[in-house]
Amino acid sequence: NAGVMQNPRHLVRRRGQEARLRCSPMKGHSHVYWYRQLPEEGLKFMVYLQKENIIDESGMPKERFSAEFPKEGPSILRIQQVVRGDSAAYFCASSFRQLGHDTEAFFGQGTRLTVV
Amino acid sequence: GENVEQHPSTLSVQEGDSAVIKCTYSDSASNYFPWYKQELGKRPQLIIDIRSNVGEKKDQRIAVTLNKTAKHFSLHITETQPEDSAVYFCAAWGLTGGGNKLTFGTGTQLKVEL
Repeated sequence: NAGVMQNPRHLVRRRGQEARLRCSPMKGHSHVYWYRQLPEEGLKFMVYLQKENIIDESGMPKERFSAEFPKEGPSILRIQQVVRGDSAAYFCASSFRQLGHDTEAFFGQGTRLTVV
Repeated sequence: GENVEQHPSTLSVQEGDSAVIKCTYSDSASNYFPWYKQELGKRPQLIIDIRSNVGEKKDQRIAVTLNKTAKHFSLHITETQPEDSAVYFCAAWGLTGGGNKLTFGTGTQLKVEL
């Protein structure tokens, strides 16, 4: 089991470009969570998805940010028209079941986005 | 929504001493409380967790306690070693009020000195 895989590990984008971050959950996991972490800060919840559904997107900015988790393929976090303030580490985690039900969430290595 | 507070923000101990990190949460419906360790530049790693149906859980040098009435939980590390130095995050899983998400505390930078 390869664990949660995120790519790219590092991403540099110019202001105004689009950033696409990918997350492949652990084998058998159908729940994915995205978090943003600024340098020396905590993990801020962005969105929780289950296959083909957004369960909770209360932490996601209303504009420029979107997320999906299609039936086939990885989960994608998309940031349009990036600004310098989007520079951060973006982590995804996955779990087999919803976290209240005897399961754990495991994190990927993260994607470090730098906007120049 | 769920609010998780974590103290202290930094903690320095001598090798071999114990370290205690405390967290409080606001959503009484929260039922799952994991702890993660994050080394510089790396992913958060799950080190121990506790569910609301138990009051204490232990795994070698690490233990977690939960007080549902007071809505607080703590991480205890005994016989600390230099490799325990990292940032530790507590979290709470809330289903009502806080929505379907794992809310993290602000982290504790633990430094174990020789």
